[in-house]
Amino acid sequence: GENVEQHPSTLSVQEGDSAVIKCTYSDSASNYFPWYKQELGKRPQLIIDIRSNVGEKKDQRIAVTLNKTAKHFSLHITETQPEDSAVYFCAASIWAGKSTFGDGTTLTVKP
Amino acid sequence: GAVVSQHPSWVICKSGTSVKIECRSLDFQATTMFWYRQFPKQSLMLMATSNEGSKATYEQGVEKDKFLINHASLTLSTLTVTSAHPEDSSFYICSARGYGTQETQYFGPGTRLLVL
Repeated sequence: GENVEQHPSTLSVQEGDSAVIKCTYSDSASNYFPWYKQELGKRPQLIIDIRSNVGEKKDQRIAVTLNKTAKHFSLHITETQPEDSAVYFCAASIWAGKSTFGDGTTLTVKP
Repeated sequence: GAVVSQHPSWVICKSGTSVKIECRSLDFQATTMFWYRQFPKQSLMLMATSNEGSKATYEQGVEKDKFLINHASLTLSTLTVTSAHPEDSSFYICSARGYGTQETQYFGPGTRLLVL
C-alpha cells in the first residue's frame, strides 16, 4: 500500500519567516495530494491541494509543489503569522481511493 | 464549501456499553465516508471506508465486530463502538466525499470518547 513520510515533525519559525514542510510518497499511481491544517481539538481543514498533472499551485501565502519523478511534494508558507501555528498533515491518494496521511508537522510561529 | 457534522461531540460512558456516533454531510451527497481514529499528537489512523449502500471496508487490525459502521443513506454514516473499554477512548473523526467534492475529503468536527 501507499506510504507517506512527512518531515520535519516539528518546526519553529519567527513571525514573518517562511516555513517548508516536505512529504514523500511511495505509490507512483497516487495522483491527488491535499494538505490539511488541524488546530488543537478541531477538525482537519483542507488548505490547498494539487493534482499530478500540475507541478505547482499557489493560494496567497500558501503554495504546494509536486515532483512526480522524485515522488515528493512540499508545502510552503510565506510571511508566517502566529495564527499559522497548528499541525499540518499531507496526504496522498489515487483518485476516488482512500487517502494515506503523513504523521503531521507541528508548526509554531513565534511572534 | 462542503459541511460535515458529527454527533455527539463528546461522550463519556461506562465500560461495556455501546456508543453510536453519527456523521452527516449537510450540503452534499456523500458517496464515501471514512472513519478515523486519532490519538493525542498523532496522525489520523484510517479505520474503515464506507460507501453508501455497501458494507464497510475495514483496515487491517480493525475489528469489524467491535466497530460497526453503517452507511445507509447518502448523508448519514454511523459508527457504533460495541462493548466499549477504556482502551477505546480516543478522538474519532469522520470525513466525507461525494458529488461536487471530487477527490477532496471534508472532515467532521470529531467525537471525543472517554470510556471509564
